Amino acid sequence: GESVGLHLPTLSVQEGDNSIINCAYSNSASDYFIWYKQESGKGPQFIIDIRSNMDKRQGQRVTVLLNKTVKHLSLQIAATQPGDSAVYFCAENLFLLNKFYFGSGTKLNVKP
Amino acid sequence: ETGVTQSPTHLIKTRGQQVTLRCSSQSGHNTVSWYQQALGQGPQFIFQYYREEENGRGNFPPRFSGLQFPNYSSELNVNALELDDSALYLCASTKTTTGTGLDAGELFFGEGSRLTVL
Repeated sequence: GESVGLHLPTLSVQEGDNSIINCAYSNSASDYFIWYKQESGKGPQFIIDIRSNMDKRQGQRVTVLLNKTVKHLSLQIAATQPGDSAVYFCAENLFLLNKFYFGSGTKLNVKP
Repeated sequence: ETGVTQSPTHLIKTRGQQVTLRCSSQSGHNTVSWYQQALGQGPQFIFQYYREEENGRGNFPPRFSGLQFPNYSSELNVNALELDDSALYLCASTKTTTGTGLDAGELFFGEGSRLTVL
C-alpha cells in the first residue's frame, strides 16, 4: 500500500518558538494533502490543506510547504503555544481514489 | 465541533462477537469514510461510502462491512471480532460531487468509538 511517514516521532519546543513538522509521502500520484492535529481522546482536527499545484499555503500561524520533487511536506507553526501540544498527522489523497493515507504521527510537546 | 457524531463512544466486546458502530455525518455531507486507529498509530482507511454504495476500500477483510443510509448516516459492522480489532474507529464526512479524488476536500472527523476486544 501507500505509505506516508514522518521523520521525527517526537518534537519538543519552547513556547514562543517556531515548530517544523516534516512528512514524506511515497506516491507521486497523490494530489491533495492535509495536516491534522489530534489531541488525546479526540478525533483528528483539520489544520490546513494543500493541493499539488501549489508549493506553499498559509493559514493562521501555520504554513504548509510541499516539495513534489522529493515528495516532502512540512508544517510550520509560528509562535508555538501550549495549546499546540498534540499529535500531528499528514495525510495524502490518491488522485481518483479518494482514499486518505495517514502517517504515524509526530507528537509535539510545547514546554512553557 | 465538526458536526460528525459517533456512537457509542466506548464499548467492550469479546473475541468472536459482532459490533455495529454508528455515525451521523455533518449536514450536507454525502460521503462518509471509516478509519481504524490503533494506539500510537495514524488512522488507516477502511472504506468509503458515496450514494449509499461502497466506492473505495482499504486493506481490511470482508468481515468489515458498512452501510450508508439515505440521510447519509452510516454504520460500520465488524464480524468475528479479533483481539487486534481493538482500536479507535473514526468516521469522517465530506461533500463530493463525484465521490472520487477529483474533488477531494477536507474530511471532518467525529470523536470516534473506542472498541476493546477481550
